[in-house]
Amino acid sequence: GQNIDQPTEMTATEGAIVQINCTYQTSGFNGLFWYQQHAGEAPTFLSYNVLDGLEEKGRFSSFLSRSKGYSYLLLKELQMKDSASYLCAVWSSWGKLQFGAGTQVVVTP
Amino acid sequence: DVKVTQSSRYLVKRTGEKVFLECVQDMDHENMFWYRQDPGLGLRLIYFSYDVKMKEKGDIPEGYSVSREKKERFSLILESASTNQTSMYLCASSFRGQGIANYGYTFGSGTRLTVV
Repeated sequence: GQNIDQPTEMTATEGAIVQINCTYQTSGFNGLFWYQQHAGEAPTFLSYNVLDGLEEKGRFSSFLSRSKGYSYLLLKELQMKDSASYLCAVWSSWGKLQFGAGTQVVVTP
Repeated sequence: DVKVTQSSRYLVKRTGEKVFLECVQDMDHENMFWYRQDPGLGLRLIYFSYDVKMKEKGDIPEGYSVSREKKERFSLILESASTNQTSMYLCASSFRGQGIANYGYTFGSGTRLTVV
């Protein structure tokens, strides 16, 4: 079956680093996405990984290991505005994204 | 600025009513999707469409139907609303094939539906 797991909540202080892990078991794999969703708003695209390794985009980086079915999103130099839910999603087949339940990141002063 | 627009932000409907949720995109995307989002369950795919008049069931299609008469518009229909359909409904669209990798999905802001 399809399974995408990520922690429910993480708390970190402003300026710190937080790593959000995502493990997946899906019937197909064409890549993995990370989305950010602020409360009451639409999810917005953060990153896409299809090859193993680290992709860096400013303060945000995303890592993928296909053999381990594992990804993480790294948020550096945390800011208050980074408080949001972070969604891991696998492009499994036919243009469909399968989403994890999301990780709520709380940034404290 | 590219957009996916959902017609209502909040809706309150009575049990048994027929409910229409509308979604319009202006990006000439081929694919369109309807998800519902519930706490602890994440986004679950209800239906999707890869072309006009084409539709495919997602993971939880029971109690729902869809319509796609024009490329830019994808409607979700609750045939007879029930309280367990109270949820946040999100519409999304994307290009076909490799376009998904390049741009991902674009989501609408969501419709929070309450069935009483």
